[in-house]
Amino acid sequence: SQTIHQWPATLVQPVGSPLSLECTVEGTSNPNLYWYRQAAGRGLQLLFYSVGIGQISSEVPQNLSASRPQDRQFILSSKKLLLSDSGFYLCAWSRLQFLDTQYFGPGTRLTVL
Amino acid sequence: TQLLEQSPQFLSIQEGENLTVYCNSSSVFSSLQWYRQEPGEGPVLLVTVVTGGEVKKLKRLTFQFGDARKDSSLHITAAQPGDTGLYLCAGESSSGTYKYIFGTGTRLKVLA
Repeated sequence: SQTIHQWPATLVQPVGSPLSLECTVEGTSNPNLYWYRQAAGRGLQLLFYSVGIGQISSEVPQNLSASRPQDRQFILSSKKLLLSDSGFYLCAWSRLQFLDTQYFGPGTRLTVL
Repeated sequence: TQLLEQSPQFLSIQEGENLTVYCNSSSVFSSLQWYRQEPGEGPVLLVTVVTGGEVKKLKRLTFQFGDARKDSSLHITAAQPGDTGLYLCAGESSSGTYKYIFGTGTRLKVLA
């Protein structure tokens, strides 16, 4: 069976500090990978998606970047965090198929102070 | 830009009542999904609808995709406290790149 992991679960960082959030998927190969950010109690905003190693598409201009160094690893980074980067970050994967389900990780709650 | 608006934004009802949540857009979507999310967790898929006019039932939940594939509704019959959560619709982008555009969300609270 497939599983998706995210860490850390929660993170409190000062403004201007760097960020690295990691997402890994087990039990599948060549998945589509996604990073979303969710404001409190609201919908998800797609930040990045990747269809393969080293292939990253950015959806919105922002202070964040993403990388996919391995097939089942997706990393969200920032060199200098802003207050507005606070939120709930969700990683998801899906197969490269039409209509397939997205499976979400448990999320990382980031608070920038 | 494809957008999905959900209404109502918040809904608080008594156990046993019926409710309907709406997901609307001015754009056409290839397919549309409904998710439920518990606090502090990732969303979990409830259903996918593909064909305009399609109706799917999942126990007490009825999902409908609009004829023009621009809107969808979720109807819950005899709501229970376990139905409490954030309901999200997500449309598959027409760009064909497997991107999903999420709605603004409806937070439902069912009181015992």
